[in-house]
Amino acid sequence: ETGVTQSPTHLIKTRGQQVTLRCSSQSGHNTVSWYQQALGQGPQFIFQYYREEENGRGNFPPRFSGLQFPNYSSELNVNALELDDSALYLCASSLIRGQSREQYFGPGTRLTVT
Amino acid sequence: KQEVTQIPAALSVPEGENLVLNCSFTDSAIYNLQWFRQDPGKGLTSLLLIQSSQREQTSGRLNASLDKSSGRSTLYIAASQPGDSATYLCAVTDSNYQLIWGAGTKLIIKP
Repeated sequence: ETGVTQSPTHLIKTRGQQVTLRCSSQSGHNTVSWYQQALGQGPQFIFQYYREEENGRGNFPPRFSGLQFPNYSSELNVNALELDDSALYLCASSLIRGQSREQYFGPGTRLTVT
Repeated sequence: KQEVTQIPAALSVPEGENLVLNCSFTDSAIYNLQWFRQDPGKGLTSLLLIQSSQREQTSGRLNASLDKSSGRSTLYIAASQPGDSATYLCAVTDSNYQLIWGAGTKLIIKP
C-alpha cells in the first residue's frame, strides 16, 4: 500500500504566474483535501474533493482551484500568484466510510513566490 | 465557527521530564481529534486519533485525552527525549468533515 505523494517538492515562482501542484492519494482513498500552511502557523483548509466533485471549501479566493481525477489523484492550481501564497501546501487523502474520517498527509510542496 | 487553540505556543524542558500539551476547541460537534507532529520544513506525521465517542488513546510514550463537553484535549508525553523536539499540532474534524487546526506548540527537549 503506497502512501500519499506530492510533486514537486519545492517550487519557486514569480508574482503573477500560475502554478499546478499534484497529489497522488493513498490506494483505495476516495477523498482528497488540500491545505495551506504559512510559516509558523497551523494549516488552513483550502478545499476537499470527493469522487471528483468539490465537497467543501475554506476561505480562499477563486484563483485557487482544483481537480480530482478518476484514479483519485488531484491537482491544486493557483492563478495570479501573490507573495502571500508562499507556503507549504499539504495534500491529504481519506476514505469516507461510516464515521471514519482519518486523513493521511503527503510530505507537502514548498512554494516560494518572489 | 470552530476555533482551535493550543497552549503554550512554545515549551522547553529538560530530557526525561513528563509534559502535557493542551488543545481547546470552541464547538463540541466534532467527529474526531488528531494530534500531529511536524519536524522543521517537513510534512505532518499523525500521532494519535481520538474518535468523538472515545476518551483517550495511547501509543507508546504518548497518551491523548479528549473531553468533548469541555472542548479540551491533552497530549501527555512521558520520559521526554531530544528526538521528541518538534512542533505538535492538534486538529478537529468538524461537522463538515473539514480539519480545523491549532497553530501548534513548538517543543524543545534539552539534552
